Amino acid sequence: QVQLVESGGGVVQPGRSLRLSCAASGFTFSSYGMHWVRQAPGKGLEWVALIWYDGGNKYNIDSVKGRFTISRDNSKNTLYLQMNSLRAEDTAVYYCAKDRLIYGYGGPDYWGQGTLVTVSS
Amino acid sequence: QSALTQPPSASGSPGQSVTISCTGTSSDVGGYNSVSWYQQHPGKAPKLMIYEVSKRPSGVPDRFSGSKSGNTASLTVSGLQAEDEADYYCSSYAGSNNYVFGTGTKVSVL
Repeated sequence: QVQLVESGGGVVQPGRSLRLSCAASGFTFSSYGMHWVRQAPGKGLEWVALIWYDGGNKYNIDSVKGRFTISRDNSKNTLYLQMNSLRAEDTAVYYCAKDRLIYGYGGPDYWGQGTLVTVSS
Repeated sequence: QSALTQPPSASGSPGQSVTISCTGTSSDVGGYNSVSWYQQHPGKAPKLMIYEVSKRPSGVPDRFSGSKSGNTASLTVSGLQAEDEADYYCSSYAGSNNYVFGTGTKVSVL
């Protein structure tokens, strides 16, 4: 069965960096687009970033452009989110999610359990 | 892009039906058939309930159905059960490799 396990969350000061990881199993990781989606405490879901099956193309929302980078290592079945210049408004549970399709046009189907990132001084 | 608009809450008695709307624009909901619905119980990860407007993944009860008209998509839960009480989110492909989620609807089973 599909399993996605995020790690790397924690408490970090504003302006600092953090790297999230998502270990995938139960499916052919290299054949699907992958997403990061976040949810601030008590708030709704917000799509953050998408990467194609081969890492050839990456996309993210405007509010994280130039600060967050999505990447993947298909040899390790792992998805990453490098987060730099963190702000208080980045505080959220970060979910990794598998897309239904190869390029990421199908939308997320399976989700991990999430990892909490708290940006606070 | 702005979040898709959903009603904050909806409710129904066991056995009744509830319908949740999800309103976007011609650049997202109205422009693509890549509309999905997710169920999220407190403290849990979202679960896919509907994709491509009206298709159900394997294992999702046929009590859940989806539709779309113009810029508005809808999720209907028929024969409400206690375990259906949760938050529901719509999402849509928004072009240029971007996605947008709805504001979320809390469904209560009275």
